[in-house]
Formats: sequence, structure tokens, C-alpha cells
Amino acid sequence: AQTVTQSQPEMSVQEAETVTLSCTYDTSESNYYLFWYKQPPSRQMILVIRQEAYKQQNATENRFSVNFQKAAKSFSLKISDSQLGDTAMYFCAFMSTGANSKLTFGKGITLSVRP
Amino acid sequence: DSGVTQTPKHLITATGQRVTLRCSPRSGDLSVYWYQQSLDQGLQFLIQYYNGEERAKGNILERFSAQQFPDLHSELNLSSLELGDSALYFCASSPRDPSGAQYFGPGTRLLVL
Repeated sequence: AQTVTQSQPEMSVQEAETVTLSCTYDTSESNYYLFWYKQPPSRQMILVIRQEAYKQQNATENRFSVNFQKAAKSFSLKISDSQLGDTAMYFCAFMSTGANSKLTFGKGITLSVRP
Repeated sequence: DSGVTQTPKHLITATGQRVTLRCSPRSGDLSVYWYQQSLDQGLQFLIQYYNGEERAKGNILERFSAQQFPDLHSELNLSSLELGDSALYFCASSPRDPSGAQYFGPGTRLLVL
């Protein structure tokens, strides 16, 4: 079974600074997807970024980028130029490419952006 | 707005009761997933449907059941409710092609008193 670990429960960053959120996972599969989801106080789950394991290039979406280290099974999220609206809980998630395409989530990290 | 709709937004009920949560996926999406988010268990996968058929089951209790209808909307039925069933229930949908992404609805917040 796959597991996803987010060991930092909380982080804080100054507005306009850069912050990195850590995530590690465990799987025996060679191909899979990894995601970061954002859950603001509204509780809506918002897809931030996606990475396919067979792609070596790290995904980027505007101010959000990932550092995907397949051998180390590490998938960190970097948020550049942090904004107050980035304050939220962030979940790392794993998904197999097989028939059972459920998302397995980490426990999440609460990010606070300070003005 | 993800395009996934869920009703109701909030539900308050008593122990022992039965409720039905409804989900409409994004236009064209064939897969529907149900997840439960609680303080002690975090985000847990419950069940997946694909084009009307059950595809995968997670840690879904026997008191819970779901189905996907021909118009692709899905319902999650929770019966004999217990205090511990209080949680936020999400529905998500994903497109036909294996792009991997799942798009979440706003959730239904269930409170069992």
C-alpha cells in the first residue's frame, strides 16, 4: 500500500518570500501521479499542481513549482512570492496509474502567510 | 469553481438516521470519487464509480453505500448514523482520459448529533 508523509504540521512565511513544503511517499510502483492540493478556510479542495512520475522535468504552475526526486521518493512544493491568499492547508497526494485511481493523501500542512 | 456540484452544503441530523448526499460531476467526466475528511482520519477514499459501475472501494463502512446513475450523477447514502460519521464528505470527478487529475466539489458538511 502507498503511504504519503508530510512531517511538518505547520509553517509560516512572510508575504513575498519563498517557502518550500515537504512530502515523501512510499510505493513499489514505477509509474504514478503526484499532486498538491490546497484547502483554504472555505474547505474547498483546489488542485495546485500535478507531476507524472515518468516525466523527469519538474512541473510548474505560475508561482508554484515542485522538486520531484523519484529515487528519494520526495515531492516538495515551492511557493514563490507568497501571497496572503496562499494561506491554507496543503495536501500532498499520490495516485497509481492502475485501475484503482484513488488519491492517497498526507496529513497536510498548515501554511500561514504573514503580512 | 471546479464544475463539480454537491448538495446539500450542510446537513445536521441525529444518530440512527439516514441521509443521502448528492454529487454532479463536471460535464463529460465519467469517474466519480467519494472522500471523507475528518479530524482524526484525515482525507480517506471511500468509493469510485466509472460510467455507472463500481470501480474501487476504500475504507467504506457497510452502513454506507453509493451509486452512479445513467446521467452520471452520484449519491452517497449513509445509514444508522453515528456521532463518528460527522465529517466533510467530498465528491471528485476526473476526465475520461488518464490525465490523473481529480476535481473536487465544495463538499457536504455532515453533523450527527
